[in-house]
Order: sequence, then structure tokens, then C-alpha cells
Amino acid sequence: GNSVTQMEGPVTLSEEAFLTINCTYTATGYPSLFWYVQYPGEGLQLLLKATKADDKGSNKGFEATYRKETTSFHLEKGSVQVSDSAVYFCALPGRAGNMLTFGGGTRLMVKP
Amino acid sequence: GAGVSQTPSNKVTEKGKYVELRCDPISGHTALYWYRQSLGQGPEFLIYFQGTGAADDSGLPNDRFFAVRPEGSVSTLKIQRTERGDSAVYLCASSSGLAGAGQYFGPGTRLTVL
Repeated sequence: GNSVTQMEGPVTLSEEAFLTINCTYTATGYPSLFWYVQYPGEGLQLLLKATKADDKGSNKGFEATYRKETTSFHLEKGSVQVSDSAVYFCALPGRAGNMLTFGGGTRLMVKP
Repeated sequence: GAGVSQTPSNKVTEKGKYVELRCDPISGHTALYWYRQSLGQGPEFLIYFQGTGAADDSGLPNDRFFAVRPEGSVSTLKIQRTERGDSAVYLCASSSGLAGAGQYFGPGTRLTVL
């Protein structure tokens, strides 16, 4: 079945640093790809998505490009803020029916 | 508009007891999903409803777990004879059901089995 692998954390950065969180996938066909974020004490929020190859999803300064050549969907942000501290999950549909398969999550800690 | 809501937010029970967890999806969303998230891990799929019927229940760990969605809106996850290993955060999500649509998650119910 479809699966994702994302870099383990925690990732610790200073404010205004550049962020990359790697995500690679294994899938049949070209499913939609998602990044979710979980802020401390809160539920999962959809951060961005891409529905086909070469699409770029973006939201709140975060971006990720669907690259079928490298089967990757890396999350990037040019200048992180303390408020970006959270756990980030890469996800894709697992099977027909669109239930999601998640990576293990990457904890980001941004220090002032 | 209102997002996905889940009740209770916390549930503490004793081993062997029965629990019910409730999910109220976004109005108009036909697809509803239950996931379970253990500490430090990503959510794991349990069951998926399209309308009133369970379209895929392959993620339910055993027959102690059951879920219903009788009117195609609110869903209840039921766990019989709870075990300590059932302790986790139970997440509910809903979506429009369209291909490529994102899923919108509720805040979760933290279940602790003593």
C-alpha cells in the first residue's frame, strides 16, 4: 500500500532560519499529497496540499512541491517564527476511500 | 463555520469498561473517518464512513471496536471491554468525499484506561 517516510525530529531552529522537512512517498499512481500541522494542545490542521505532479501547495509561508521524479513532497519555509513550533505530518491516501496514511511526524522547535 | 467537534475531550475509564466517543462532522461532509494516535506517532486509520455505511473498517484492531453513523452525520465509536493498550487520542475527521479533498480533524478525545 501507499506509505510516507519523513525525517525524524526534533528539528531545532532559531527564529528567521530556513526550514526543510523531508518527506518521501511510495504510491500507486499519483495521489494527492498533504501536510498537516499539530500545534501544542491542539488538533491536526490541514496546512497545505498538492493534487498532481509539479503542483506547489502553499499556506502561511510554507510551501511544498509534488515531485514525482524523486517521489518527494518536502516542506519548506524561508523564515520560521516561534509560533511555527509544532509537529508536522506528511500524509497521502492509503487506499481507495481516501483514508490517510501519515508519516511519524517531525517536531519543530523554533527558539527566539 | 463550525469545525469537527468531538466529545468528551477526555475520558478516563477502568479496564474492562465500555466507552463511547462521539464525533460531529462539518455540516454537509459525507465522508467521516476515525483515527487513533498514540504518543509520538502519526494517526492510524480505524474506520471510514461514506454516508451511513462503513465503507472500510479494515483499521479496527479487533471486534471490541465498533462504530456507527446512523443518520449520515454524527458518528459514535464504541469500545467494549477496554484494555490499557486502548489508551490513545481518538481523532475524527470529515471531508467532502471528493477526490483530492483534504480531511478536517476534530480536537480528539484522549482516552485513558487505568
